Amino acid sequence: GIQVEQSPPDLILQEGANSTLRCNFSDSVNNLQWFHQNPWGQLINLFYIPSGTKQNGRLSATTVATERYSLLYISSSQTTDSGVYFCAVEAYNTDKLIFGTGTRLQVFP
Amino acid sequence: EPEVTQTPSHQVTQMGQEVILRCVPISNHLYFYWYRQILGQKVEFLVSFYNNEISEKSEIFDDQFSVERPDGSNFTLKIRSTKLEDSAMYFCATGQSYEQYFGPGTRLTVT
Repeated sequence: GIQVEQSPPDLILQEGANSTLRCNFSDSVNNLQWFHQNPWGQLINLFYIPSGTKQNGRLSATTVATERYSLLYISSSQTTDSGVYFCAVEAYNTDKLIFGTGTRLQVFP
Repeated sequence: EPEVTQTPSHQVTQMGQEVILRCVPISNHLYFYWYRQILGQKVEFLVSFYNNEISEKSEIFDDQFSVERPDGSNFTLKIRSTKLEDSAMYFCATGQSYEQYFGPGTRLTVT
């Protein structure tokens, strides 16, 4: 089956810093989503981005489908950005999302 | 903005008991999913449901699990005889096409 790898596994930042999270996947996909899991365990939809670039406030994401990777950019990080960021992909001929192992982000004041 | 809701938020049950987890999808969504996340691990797919039948299921989704839409609105996951290893966060997700929207989850603790 399709493999999803995220890097780095852990990231520690000071408030105000910028960061880039990476998601690599092993096959073509028709869906790619980024999620933020907050300290209460809730999964918050960040982006639906099977290709191209999107921006939402301080967050933006880019997926290069032909090269099988996606990047999540966080600018001017805040303590509320802390949590785990998951990338999830859906391969063709299936309707299930396969999640990566996540990047744990800690932002300190 | 419409949201997926799940009840209960936390359920504690004894091993061997049956549990039913409930989800209210976003109203015009046609695709329904259950996922689970064991503490500290990644989110895993359990089952997808479309047009009143299972469209795909994982190896985890064995005979102890079942899903249904009993009244055309709620979407439920039943675990017939819970085991200690069923302790996890269970997420319902719904969608119109490819994008999936996740509910807040039900934390199931089996003692």
